[in-house]
Amino acid sequence: DQQVKQNSPSLSVQEGRISILNCDYTNSMFDYFLWYKKYPAEGPTFLISISSIKDKNEDGRFTVFLNKSAKHLSLHIVPSQPGDSAVYFCAARASSNTGKLIFGQGTTLQVKP
Amino acid sequence: DTAVSQTPKYLVTQMGNDKSIKCEQNLGHDTMYWYKQDSKKFLKIMFSYNNKELIINETVPNRFSPKSPDKAHLNLHINSLELGDSAVYFCASSSAGTYPADTQYFGPGTRLTVL
Repeated sequence: DQQVKQNSPSLSVQEGRISILNCDYTNSMFDYFLWYKKYPAEGPTFLISISSIKDKNEDGRFTVFLNKSAKHLSLHIVPSQPGDSAVYFCAARASSNTGKLIFGQGTTLQVKP
Repeated sequence: DTAVSQTPKYLVTQMGNDKSIKCEQNLGHDTMYWYKQDSKKFLKIMFSYNNKELIINETVPNRFSPKSPDKAHLNLHINSLELGDSAVYFCASSSAGTYPADTQYFGPGTRLTVL
């Protein structure tokens, strides 16, 4: 029972264009969501997060949108750069269980020069 | 000045052996975690320790035993290794005092291969 799903295993975009990575969740108890970025042979690194009391959080080129009614969140990267090529993981947690992050299976983003 | 470090980075061993993976964090965090990333790339939490006390223990075979000598270290011991234990194991740490709170910081991973 995968509570966090990233249905697109891969995404390819042109440099300078927008990258949109999607994530769906099923557990309505989740109230905090995170995106992690992972390069090969490295651990995931925190990118951006959003609380369920917000529907948008922006940090530079990265924006996360949350649609609670649809149990859907997305990460927008604008403009995309070749250095953004990595695996992006969506993760969620419930405030009643703050230590337990539930991860999606990741989306591999390739940004072509 | 690595924040979360793991040793070894690669571990190749035979079925039935006992092995350990070490993790250290120099971030001053009070909570540490072990995750397993299987062949399907899912990252799943195994254990979590807060100030040396076990707070999360997922459905993991009791061949896996975490040990936290102090809050900067969390080691993972695996007894009687099986083929299915082959995976990448990630250590992570967090603190309620960081912003955003409880954001987990990961080590580089240990790729375990059981032959």
